[in-house]
Amino acid sequence: QKEVEQNSGPLSVPEGAIASLNCTYSDRGSQSFFWYRQYSGKSPELIMSIYSNGDKEDGRFTAQLNKASQYVSLLIRDSQPSDSATYLCAVGYNFNKFYFGSGTKLNVKP
Amino acid sequence: DAGVTQSPTHLIKTRGQQVTLRCSPKSGHDTVSWYQQALGQGPQFIFQYYEEEERQRGNFPDRFSGHQFPNYSSELNVNALLLGDSALYLCASSMKTGVEPQHFGDGTRLSIL
Repeated sequence: QKEVEQNSGPLSVPEGAIASLNCTYSDRGSQSFFWYRQYSGKSPELIMSIYSNGDKEDGRFTAQLNKASQYVSLLIRDSQPSDSATYLCAVGYNFNKFYFGSGTKLNVKP
Repeated sequence: DAGVTQSPTHLIKTRGQQVTLRCSPKSGHDTVSWYQQALGQGPQFIFQYYEEEERQRGNFPDRFSGHQFPNYSSELNVNALLLGDSALYLCASSMKTGVEPQHFGDGTRLSIL
């Protein structure tokens, strides 16, 4: 069974701070890595994809991948109250196999 | 460009009944996956359809079954409903390349009384 682990939180940060969300995965065969944002009662929304080691930046979001350590993270700069949501880490394998973590709840305090 | 669409948005059933949920994938996508998400949990993989066949299955009983049609749309059927089946059911579509992300529909909220 492939596992994707996330700290459930809640992670509380003040408005304007950097929020750091972490995820570890068990299978070294993982090929693709995704972060989804899910507001309460809504469906997951894709915010970042990363496929190779290093950093990938998109606006206020930066995804970091370290395959040797089997670790992927998401940094949110200048956090806003609207960023308050649950962030899901997903790991992809061959032929559309995806595994999700249970999510980290982020609270951004005004 | 239409995204993933699911119907209905909400459904209330009683124990023992059967339910069918529907999903139309994002334009250009050929693979449909279904997930069950209980409150406070991450999505749990039910099964995946490609070329009208079930290609992968998660740890769900045979009460959960599905179908994919030639236009790539899909149905999820659940028989003999249990109280524990109450959840948000999510449909996600993707391309069979296997590395591109899935895109989710808005989900169907199923409540079992």
